[in-house]
Amino acid sequence: DSGVTQTPKHLITATGQRVTLRCSPRSGDLSVYWYQQSLDQGLQFLIQYYNGEERAKGNILERFSAQQFPDLHSELNLSSLELGDSALYFCASSATEYGYTFGSGTRLTVV
Amino acid sequence: QQQVKQSPQSLIVQKGGISIINCAYENTAFDYFPWYQQFPGKGPALLIAIRPDVSEKKEGRFTISFNKSAKQFSLHIMDSQPGDSATYFCAASKSQAGTALIFGKGTTLSVSS
Repeated sequence: DSGVTQTPKHLITATGQRVTLRCSPRSGDLSVYWYQQSLDQGLQFLIQYYNGEERAKGNILERFSAQQFPDLHSELNLSSLELGDSALYFCASSATEYGYTFGSGTRLTVV
Repeated sequence: QQQVKQSPQSLIVQKGGISIINCAYENTAFDYFPWYQQFPGKGPALLIAIRPDVSEKKEGRFTISFNKSAKQFSLHIMDSQPGDSATYFCAASKSQAGTALIFGKGTTLSVSS
C-alpha cells in the first residue's frame, strides 16, 4: 500500500457521460498530481494542486477539471466522455517537488 | 513535443544479464531525473533518482548513469532477475514550483529464466 488511495479502481461508462475520480494523498503530502496513462502516450501529466490551489497544468482537456479540497483529497472530473478517454488515471502525491508516490490508479473504460 | 525520449520500447534479457534502458531529454533546465518501476495493476513506484551534479548513482543492482553534455541518462540493472520484469519509466523535472515530472513512454522489461 503506497498510502495514496484512488477510487474507484474500475469504471465503465458510456460516451457523453461524466465521471468523478477521487484521490486521497499520503498523510502530510500537500501536492496532488493527476496523470493519464495510455498505451501509446505513456504517462501524461494533467494537473497539479498544492494545498488547495492549482499549481501546474499539463495536457488537460477543457472537458476535464480537478479540485483539491480542504482535507487535501482531490477529485478529477471528466465530462462529455469520448472513446479516446479510456485510460488509466493515476494520482500521485508528494511533500516536495520530488519523490512522487502514486496510487494504484482508476481504469476508465468508455463504451 | 516529447521532452523525454526513452528507448527501447521493450527489452528481453536473460536471467543474470544486464538490462540497459536509455533516456534523452531536451530541456537543459531539468535538474532531477528519477526512474520509476511499474508492475501490472499497480502505480509507478520510485526506483532511483539522480541530479546532474553527479555522473553515476548506484543502489543495489540498479545504477543510473548521467551524461549532462549529451543530455542523456540510463538505467542499468545488473544481474537481472525474473522479479525485475516490469515497465520502467524515466522522468525529468525542474526544481521549481509549478512544474511536474515529465515521463518517457516506458520500457517493458522481460527477464527470462
